[in-house]
Formats: sequence, structure tokens, C-alpha cells
Amino acid sequence: DQQVKQNSPSLSVQEGRISILNCDYTNSMFDYFLWYKKYPAEGPTFLISISSIKDKNEDGRFTVFLNKSAKHLSLHIVPSQPGDSAVYFCAASEASGTYKYIFGTGTRLKVLA
Amino acid sequence: GAVVSQHPSWVICKSGTSVKIECRSLDFQATTMFWYRQFPKQSLMLMATSNEGSKATYEQGVEKDKFLINHASLTLSTLTVTSAHPEDSSFYICSARGHGGQPQHFGDGTRLSIL
Repeated sequence: DQQVKQNSPSLSVQEGRISILNCDYTNSMFDYFLWYKKYPAEGPTFLISISSIKDKNEDGRFTVFLNKSAKHLSLHIVPSQPGDSAVYFCAASEASGTYKYIFGTGTRLKVLA
Repeated sequence: GAVVSQHPSWVICKSGTSVKIECRSLDFQATTMFWYRQFPKQSLMLMATSNEGSKATYEQGVEKDKFLINHASLTLSTLTVTSAHPEDSSFYICSARGHGGQPQHFGDGTRLSIL
């Protein structure tokens, strides 16, 4: 049972435009969400996170939106750059307890120059 | 920023061999370390959580006698795949977190190939 889902395995966006990556979850106990970026043969790199008490968190070109009622979060990258091309994973966690993360299956973003 | 070093990055060995993978937090004390496994085009699947000085907590379906985890210090955790077989071939990644609400920081992973 996949508790965190990224239904788009891939996404192509033109340089300078907005990239929107989506993530859905099923467990209502999740209250902390993160986005990681992964290049081939490297480990995931933390990008941005959001707590369930917020609906938006912004860091430079990256903004994460959380819709708790829909159990949905999204990552917006504006403007997209070729260096953003990577696999993006969303992860969810219950902030209390073991802090373990449940990851989605990833979305491969390709930013075209 | 927080750096986690994982070694080796690539291992090829014969069936029946035991393989040890090291995970080190280089610039912070990792109260908790995590070990993940990733199959091609799939998600990172948590195998176990380890806290320094205590036994690891394994996820359902993960054989603790097969995947031995040691977290002897605040900067080092090891995963030993015992008597490895071809089905153990995978990409193994560790992560570490420090105190408070810090996110997990990941190593670059180890690709294990069992012949």
C-alpha cells in the first residue's frame, strides 16, 4: 500500500517556465512533508519542507503548497533552470516518534534549454 | 551544510560474501540514522532506523539477521549484508539526522551487485 504517491513519473518544462510537481498521501497522521532532489549516482538532497500547520512555504525559487483536506502537496519551481533537471521525491513523516520518512516514487523533471 | 559520507559507493562480489557499508556524519552528531534500499525506478524503502547505542528497529519484512546494523557512535553506522545473494543486489542509501527538527541528510548510496 503506497502511502505517498507521485503519479507523474516524468515532466518536461521549458527553461524559464514554472515546474509543478505533485504528491498525494493517504495517511492523515502525516504532519511533516519534504521534497528532495536526486541526481543519478548521488543521494537525495533536501530542498524544502512544510509542517501541517502551514499551507505554504517558500525558499527562493522553490515553493511548497500543502492542501491538508485534499491530502495533496505540490512543489513549484519558478523559473525553471536546466540544472533543476533531476528526480524529485516527496516524503512524509509523523513529526513525533521515530521521524521516519515515507517516500513517493519520484518524478523525473527535465528542463529544456 | 550537513554532510553524510557513505562508503563504498560500488561493490561487486560473489554470492555468499558478507558486505559492510559505512555511513558517517561528517560535521554533525547523528542521533538517528536510517538505512534505505532502492530498486530501479522505485521509491526509497526504509529498511531500519538506528539510534546510537541501541538496537536498530527494522521495518516489516526486513530480516534483521540478514541486514546487521551497528550504530556504535554518534557519527558512524554500519550495515552488513550477510551471506549476500543475487536478490540482495540493490542500491542502499543511508541518512542521518541530528537533534531537533532537522531533516534527514543522505549519503550518496552504495550500489551492491552480487554475482
